Formats: sequence, C-alpha cells, structure tokens
Amino acid sequence: RKEVEQDPGPFNVPEGATVAFNCTYSNSASQSFFWYRQDCRKEPKLLMSVYSSGNEDGRFTAQLNRASQYISLLIRDSKLSDSATYLCVVHNAGGTSYGKLTFGQGTILTVHP
Amino acid sequence: NAGVTQTPKFRVLKTGQSMTLLCAQDMNHEYMYWYRQDPGMGLRLIHYSVGEGTTAKGEVPDGYNVSRLKKQNFLLGLESAAPSQTSVYFCASSGPGLAGGPTGELFFGEGSRLTVL
Repeated sequence: RKEVEQDPGPFNVPEGATVAFNCTYSNSASQSFFWYRQDCRKEPKLLMSVYSSGNEDGRFTAQLNRASQYISLLIRDSKLSDSATYLCVVHNAGGTSYGKLTFGQGTILTVHP
Repeated sequence: NAGVTQTPKFRVLKTGQSMTLLCAQDMNHEYMYWYRQDPGMGLRLIHYSVGEGTTAKGEVPDGYNVSRLKKQNFLLGLESAAPSQTSVYFCASSGPGLAGGPTGELFFGEGSRLTVL
C-alpha cells in the first residue's frame, strides 16, 4: 500500500462550483500535513498547512481526520485560475523516517467557464 | 535571492552513462530532498537528508546515490543510467519547524529534465 494516496481525477468543474479532494495516509506516526499546488511544467508550491482543528484560507479549507487517517481540501467558488494539480504531503516523524516528506500522486483539477 | 538552484536543467544521456545532478540552496536549510516526477505518478522521493553528512532512502532509491558533504549542497548521482530513469528531477529544501522536524514548506528548484536513450 502506498504511504500517501489521492484520487488522481481529473475533476472537471464549472466556475463557481465547490470541489473537494481527499488524501489518505497509511503511517499513523505521520505528524504534519500539507497541500501543494502544481501548475503545468512548474515546481510545486505550498498552498496551505493542515492543522488538527482544520483551517481556512479564503476559499480554501483544509481538514485532518487522524482517526481515519485522511486529509481533505475544499475549494469553494472555483475560479479558472484554480486549474492545477493538487498534491498532499505528509511528514513522517517516526523513527528512521524522521524528516521524510512524502507526496501523493496528485489530483488534477480543471475549472471551465 | 537564488533560493534553490539545480544544475543542469536539461541533459540527454545514453544507457550506461553516469552523471551527477547538483542542488544548491542558500537558505541555510537543514533538510534537503530529491524527487522524481513522471506523468501520473506525482512526486516520488528518491533520497533525502536531515542535515550535513546524513542521507536516507526514500521511496525509489535504487539506481541513485546521494551525498551531502556540505550543508548547502545535495548531489544526486546516477552510476549507470537506464531509460527508466528518464524523468523530471526536483530538488527541494526545508527549514526546521517548531517541533524540530521540517516545516513542510518546501522550496523547490526549477527541475532538471533528464532523458536516457
């Protein structure tokens, strides 16, 4: 089983739609969680960290469910500029994996007019 | 500010040739990473380092070696290149977070596109 798994999509949504992505992780020792955004042929960039209590940044909301070992990203009022690949990242702090940052395979989002 | 610099940005190799990718960061970061990205595969961790003189294996370490002799540099070597190593390689670094591990905010280089024929 992969350490971090995402639904690859693609998700095709109209402008203004709400879309949600999930990401599951297998290592219960995972400590920190993040969402990244990657535009075509560019390097990934940090979108937001995911905190235990959930957190919001404008139209983006991230949540963590430790019991079920998944994180989610919700995008409200989608814009054309939100079209990108969204990657979840997990930091495993346990034992020999300390410092290891593992990416999911990414979820492709296309927002159309 | 240069941030993270990868060299070379493009390279074509023949099967069996060797090469080294260089990653340099000027942010005094402890943590450095080498990832490869293939279509539909996301970023897969090859090797990483939690400090000068340390290295650790990631998800796909076979066929690669690394060294972190200086804090600012992280080298990725291919001893005998294979077509399966055709990919885009990203280097990244991270500073320490409050809990001592990486912050999770990775600073990436622009990527190195390697083709093995």
